[in-house]
Amino acid sequence: DAGVIQSPRHEVTEMGQEVTLRCKPISGHNSLFWYRQTMMRGLELLIYFNNNVPIDDSGMPEDRFSAKMPNASFSTLKIQPSEPRDSAVYFCASSLEREYSETQYFGPGTRLLVL
Amino acid sequence: GQNIDQPTEMTATEGAIVQINCTYQTSGFNGLFWYQQHAGEAPTFLSYNVLDGLEEKGRFSSFLSRSKGYSYLLLKELQMKDSASYLCAVKNAGGYQKVTFGIGTKLQVIP
Repeated sequence: DAGVIQSPRHEVTEMGQEVTLRCKPISGHNSLFWYRQTMMRGLELLIYFNNNVPIDDSGMPEDRFSAKMPNASFSTLKIQPSEPRDSAVYFCASSLEREYSETQYFGPGTRLLVL
Repeated sequence: GQNIDQPTEMTATEGAIVQINCTYQTSGFNGLFWYQQHAGEAPTFLSYNVLDGLEEKGRFSSFLSRSKGYSYLLLKELQMKDSASYLCAVKNAGGYQKVTFGIGTKLQVIP
């Protein structure tokens, strides 16, 4: 079975540009998470969807960040306008609610560099 | 809120045993995960503890003491490929079961 799929794997952009990151969760999973990872702050939860509905977006840094999940197999994280401090690795993860541990499975990540 | 502490770096010798500790303070607890993350890669699931005691899985074991807010990951017969970061993560109780990750322990295995 395919794991979590993310695209693009790498993105280099200039400050002020719009960035869109994409995620396809594991088929059958009903929970989806977007994380950001930096050396200084580690892995931080940005937003959590359950059954395509945003449940917790308290980790979204500011209005420049937005996320959508139009259906069970696709989600996007958008940054507009991007800033150099947004440079990080962005991971998408999915899990199955009510499965024993609700283990989160991570995609390969998108490495974003904003110049 | 959650507070998770683990050492930032450790070094161990190939073939040896290493123990990576994690302490946590949480307003509600519903399980603890250990993830392995190789440089430039995604975190991958290693173990999950919800009850006190030791869970063994091959060369890796994970221990939990809920009363002490303490867990450790034990790696035996270390191999060079075990060089990675090890992330401790706590799942809180109630509402929705948010998982909070520690900063991770970077383990270097040397010959």
